[in-house]
Amino acid sequence: EDQVTQSPEALRLQEGESSSLNCSYTVSGLRGLFWYRQDPGKGPEFLFTLYSAGEEKEKERLKATLTKKESFLHITAPKPEDSATYLCAVRGGSQGNLIFGKGTKLSVKP
Amino acid sequence: SAVISQKPSRDICQRGTSLTIQCQVDSQVTMMFWYRQQPGQSLTLIATANQGSEATYESGFVIDKFPISRPNLTFSTLTVSNMSPEDSSIYLCSVVGGTNTEAFFGQGTRLTVV
Repeated sequence: EDQVTQSPEALRLQEGESSSLNCSYTVSGLRGLFWYRQDPGKGPEFLFTLYSAGEEKEKERLKATLTKKESFLHITAPKPEDSATYLCAVRGGSQGNLIFGKGTKLSVKP
Repeated sequence: SAVISQKPSRDICQRGTSLTIQCQVDSQVTMMFWYRQQPGQSLTLIATANQGSEATYESGFVIDKFPISRPNLTFSTLTVSNMSPEDSSIYLCSVVGGTNTEAFFGQGTRLTVV
């Protein structure tokens, strides 16, 4: 069964304290792994797409990496405005639907 | 990326009533998707709406409960029928980007059923 597991469920950081979020996945025929940011009361905002193991993408303080079984979202020197829930999703399987994890709620304190 | 507008952004409804959520996209798209996001849970696909044909529902979701319309290539509606408190959730409209892989979302409709 295709599934996505994100850890930790919640993460509290001090401003400037770098860390990583994990996304483990099981899917047949990966057609893409996606990271989203979701602020309270809003829909998910697209961040990155990764397609193959070894691929990396960067955007400001965020860097996403991909292996054959998991992806990491590295946050370097986070700021309070980085506080949000980060969602991971994979596309694959016979239907090609998106399968989401439950997300990691990140809080960055000044 | 597409700009997706959803209405209403939130609503509080009485049990037994129905609510129709509207989704407008700023460009023509073949498929539109409706998701549900329950508190503490992951996004779950309800159905895929194709213009000119009936929507395709995922396991656990039925047309009588969640009827969908897709009258043209930029608009869709999702109705939550005969609501119960268990239907309290965020409902999201989505389209797929130009590469046909990444998805873009509207701002969501937060529904509370009392």
